[in-house]
Amino acid sequence: NAGVMQNPRHLVRRRGQEARLRCSPMKGHSHVYWYRQLPEEGLKFMVYLQKENIIDESGMPKERFSAEFPKEGPSILRIQQVVRGDSAAYFCASSPGRSNEQYFGPGTRLTVT
Amino acid sequence: GQNIDQPTEMTATEGAIVQINCTYQTSGFNGLFWYQQHAGEAPTFLSYNVLDGLEEKGRFSSFLSRSKGYSYLLLKELQMKDSASYLCAPTYSGAGSYQLTFGKGTKLSVIP
Repeated sequence: NAGVMQNPRHLVRRRGQEARLRCSPMKGHSHVYWYRQLPEEGLKFMVYLQKENIIDESGMPKERFSAEFPKEGPSILRIQQVVRGDSAAYFCASSPGRSNEQYFGPGTRLTVT
Repeated sequence: GQNIDQPTEMTATEGAIVQINCTYQTSGFNGLFWYQQHAGEAPTFLSYNVLDGLEEKGRFSSFLSRSKGYSYLLLKELQMKDSASYLCAPTYSGAGSYQLTFGKGTKLSVIP
């Protein structure tokens, strides 16, 4: 009974490159949430998606960041032209419905050099 | 913001009891989650309180006072593996009710 899966677990990118983070929700969950945890900070909500729909992206930076959750396959958080300030842990969570009982994945730790 | 306030760090002895407090903004408040996060790992669910009072679950209990905007997590019979950060996350009604809003967390160190 697999939980939320994220890959890669660790990602190193040079400034200006693109980062793609993947999240597969728990089986039977169709709602995905992305959170970012900066060093020494709390988790901050970024975006909430359902299959093929972005429901709320109010926590996403306006530029360089995008997210999708296609009909087939994992949810993708994409960061273009990464900068050092993007270095953080990015957590994905999923829920069976529009709920706040969310189950978290192990996170992707992005390091921008 | 939700003005979440919890102590930054706490230290307690193995076998002891520790209480981690959290205060938050009450306007629009719905319920409050506590999560545990070990270093480098994902947050894991501990409790969810909606009603006033104490809810006990094994060694961990969580208390809520809606009128005071106050919650605490009580850990009994502390074990070394309880060393972790404990995250208080109030939720609010409205369009963004699914957004978990976390405080910075309380880093608990359990010492022998």
